[in-house]
Parts: sequence; structure tokens; C-alpha cells
Amino acid sequence: DAGITQSPRHKVTETGTPVTLRCHQTENHRYMYWYRQDPGHGLRLIHYSYGVKDTDKGEVSDGYSVSRSKTEDFLLTLESATSSQTSVYFCAISESNIARKYSNQPQHFGDGTRLSIL
Amino acid sequence: GQQLNQSPQSMFIQEGEDVSMNCTSSSIFNTWLWYKQDPGEGPVLLIALYKAGELTSNGRLTAQFGITRKDSFLNISASIPSDVGIYFCAGYSGTYKYIFGTGTRLKVLA
Repeated sequence: DAGITQSPRHKVTETGTPVTLRCHQTENHRYMYWYRQDPGHGLRLIHYSYGVKDTDKGEVSDGYSVSRSKTEDFLLTLESATSSQTSVYFCAISESNIARKYSNQPQHFGDGTRLSIL
Repeated sequence: GQQLNQSPQSMFIQEGEDVSMNCTSSSIFNTWLWYKQDPGEGPVLLIALYKAGELTSNGRLTAQFGITRKDSFLNISASIPSDVGIYFCAGYSGTYKYIFGTGTRLKVLA
């Protein structure tokens, strides 16, 4: 299994509170991704990182921010959580031997964080 | 935005039967991936395809990269109960990140 740890695994919080999810990898991979998974929508990309301090938006980035201060950690923050952000969040990593903004190398996923916002 | 259509959405099969599922797109992709997801876990990579027409096997699983580059197929031979789960395809166009299908839910009847 790829060395990816997501924390917390489960969280229940209230609307309007800030929430931070953490993804930690031990593979030293360049690329890291945050997805959300909802019924009928599959996996949708929120944000991704192509290096330390290098991040970019995905297709559903509104209401989310990310930070990557070191290779192994990628944080996803909901500044003011809303009920529509109730979902299962997955972190993924991938590698490339060419340093560029995108990578077609396969992504390997963590086990997810189930977030419920009441 | 780009979308991938996976079919069937769900299927029930008898243990020992072969399974076929596919993924189609209106756009061309240059990489296709197939994943399996078990309940409460993240998707696990099964097969990666990088070239049109490529046929790749992983045990009882075989996947093909369609020659039009707009589709991919996954076959499972002689299904067993542990094959149950959700199978996802993902396509990479080179201009954006991977796009994921909505999954095929497989249930195996013993």
C-alpha cells in the first residue's frame, strides 16, 4: 500500500466552523491531490499540488483552500464549513520524473476522511 | 466539463461468471486507469493503460485502451465473491488532471 495517511478519518462539525484535513505521505512523491466523493458524482478534484508551495485549483475548489509547506504534508481547509461540503474526502499522490505542472502517472489514494457538517 | 460515462452502473452476477464493463468519453484521452474501491476504503489501482489499442492483464483482470482513444474496457474472468466493490475508470487528457467515471457497482452472488 502507498504510504498515505489521512487524518482525521471521521469528523462531525457544525456549519460555520473551520475544518482542516491532513494528508501525510511517506513516498516523497511530487504531486498531491484532494478529491471529494459524492453519490452520483464520482471523484471530483478540489485542489492539487505539484510541489512545495505550488498549488492549483480543481473543478470544485470554491469554499476550500490548501497549503503545502513540505513535501510530505498537504492540508485541506474549509474556512467556514457548509452542509454542502458534507462528503468523503480523499487524498491522492503521484510521481513523475519530469518536473511539470501536470502528471499522467497513476494516482494512489488514502483511505479517506468522512466529514459531516450539521 | 469533461465527463466519463461508465456502464453498467451496477450489476449482479453469479460466482464464476465473466464480467465486462466499459468507460466512454466524448474527448480523447492518452492515459486510462482502472481502480477498485471497497467500502470504507480508498480506490486501489488495478491497471494503467498508456497507448491506444493496449491490452493489459492483472491476474483475472484484463483492460483495453480503445483504438479511438475515447473508451476503455475492463473484463474480469471467473468472478469470485471478493470481486465485489465499485470499479472506477479514470482518463487523462494531458490538458487537465484525471477525470473519473461515476463507477460500476459489482455484486457477486455465491
